[in-house]
Amino acid sequence: NAGVTQTPKFQVLKTGQSMTLQCAQDMNHNSMYWYRQDPGMGLRLIYYSASEGTTDKGEVPNGYNVSRLNKREFSLRLESAAPSQTSVYFCASTRQGFEVSNYGYTFGSGTRLTVV
Amino acid sequence: AQSVTQPDIHITVSEGASLELRCNYSYGATPYLFWYVQSPGQGLQLLLKYFSGDTLVQGIKGFEAEFKRSQSSFNLRKPSVHWSDAAEYFCAVGAWNDYKLSFGAGTTVTVRA
Repeated sequence: NAGVTQTPKFQVLKTGQSMTLQCAQDMNHNSMYWYRQDPGMGLRLIYYSASEGTTDKGEVPNGYNVSRLNKREFSLRLESAAPSQTSVYFCASTRQGFEVSNYGYTFGSGTRLTVV
Repeated sequence: AQSVTQPDIHITVSEGASLELRCNYSYGATPYLFWYVQSPGQGLQLLLKYFSGDTLVQGIKGFEAEFKRSQSSFNLRKPSVHWSDAAEYFCAVGAWNDYKLSFGAGTTVTVRA
């Protein structure tokens, strides 16, 4: 049982380049999330998808777009990367979004992105 | 909206010594509280959670946490630390019927021999 799988694990981009971070879960979870982790700031929510077909902004959505491709997959796209987007990105999922407070998240292992 | 503060950025503890990590939350109603651990280069793993009942919660890896409503705290403890406990620890809070958790800034634990 793989849980939450993120690809790639590492990526270096030049300013202005675009890329898509992939996330897939095999736990039949309905809700999926993208967070970024920066030193001293903890995890900040970028976007989330409460269920297939829906997406909502979190606290730091600027510069990002997301796609909930199907129930399993939730991708994060950087259209024009900036150095401020250098971070570690985590995908997470939970059975039902409105029950997240009962169950918490299952996290992927992260993508370390550097924008130069 | 709910929020979490972890006052300690970094803690160093000797192997075999006890460990306590502080977490303070802000929320008007009964919070749902979590502790996660992140080992170097890894994702976050759930250590324990609280949302009702006994205020002393037992988790994995020998950790426990105590919910104190009067102090708005949910501190994590371990009686005897092992070198493998060196990691970053995050406290998180959720609210009833909310779709997301809010995380603190994290506390890095270093274990010295």
